Amino acid sequence: DGGITQSPKYLFRKEGQNVTLSCEQNLNHDAMYWYRQDPGQGLRLIYYSQIVNDFQKGDIAEGYSVSREKKESFPLTVTSAQKNPTAFYLCAAPPGQGNYEQYFGPGTRLTVT
Amino acid sequence: LAKTTQPISMDSYEGQEVNITCSHNNIATNDYITWYQQFPSQGPRFIIQGYKTKVTNEVASLFIPADRKSSTLSLPRVSLSDTAVYYCLVGDFSGGYNKLIFGAGTRLAVHP
Repeated sequence: DGGITQSPKYLFRKEGQNVTLSCEQNLNHDAMYWYRQDPGQGLRLIYYSQIVNDFQKGDIAEGYSVSREKKESFPLTVTSAQKNPTAFYLCAAPPGQGNYEQYFGPGTRLTVT
Repeated sequence: LAKTTQPISMDSYEGQEVNITCSHNNIATNDYITWYQQFPSQGPRFIIQGYKTKVTNEVASLFIPADRKSSTLSLPRVSLSDTAVYYCLVGDFSGGYNKLIFGAGTRLAVHP
């Protein structure tokens, strides 16, 4: 059963701590994306990777870091430099060229206090 | 990607047809129109996509006029489970770079 998994679904951290959100896919898709969603808002692109060992900043990359060592995995680290880290984080993986559908994971809700 | 404008919210009742219109005045020749549905605390789900005229699938229809400056998502006979946020996106994804920019979407509330 192919798909995108994100863990954990809920995550709580103290201010000043770095935290890493997991995203794994078994769809064999080359590209993976991270979005952030705040209450009542749309999705904003944090980072994206079109191929292993390569990634690019999105619109709101400050305070975040990523790695893409494996095709299946694209973890996102929320660093202490991120001013407002509390949000809903979504990982996605599009099928590829010419396909307009984006596949999303279930999301991780991060709360920092 | 072309900027889109859609109503912030809509209300409907079970069994009614709902039409959500999206304006995209600056749509480019190679741009496609795509709609997503999102439930609270879940990732968006692809609903339908089109380029021109009318597209229909098992859950919705998409109407696109000849000038393509707007589009209308039509949900037939909605139920309570259709209460969600609906996003309209416009862009050219043929080059393999599938960057989706989501606006605030339209919050649809279906009432009994």
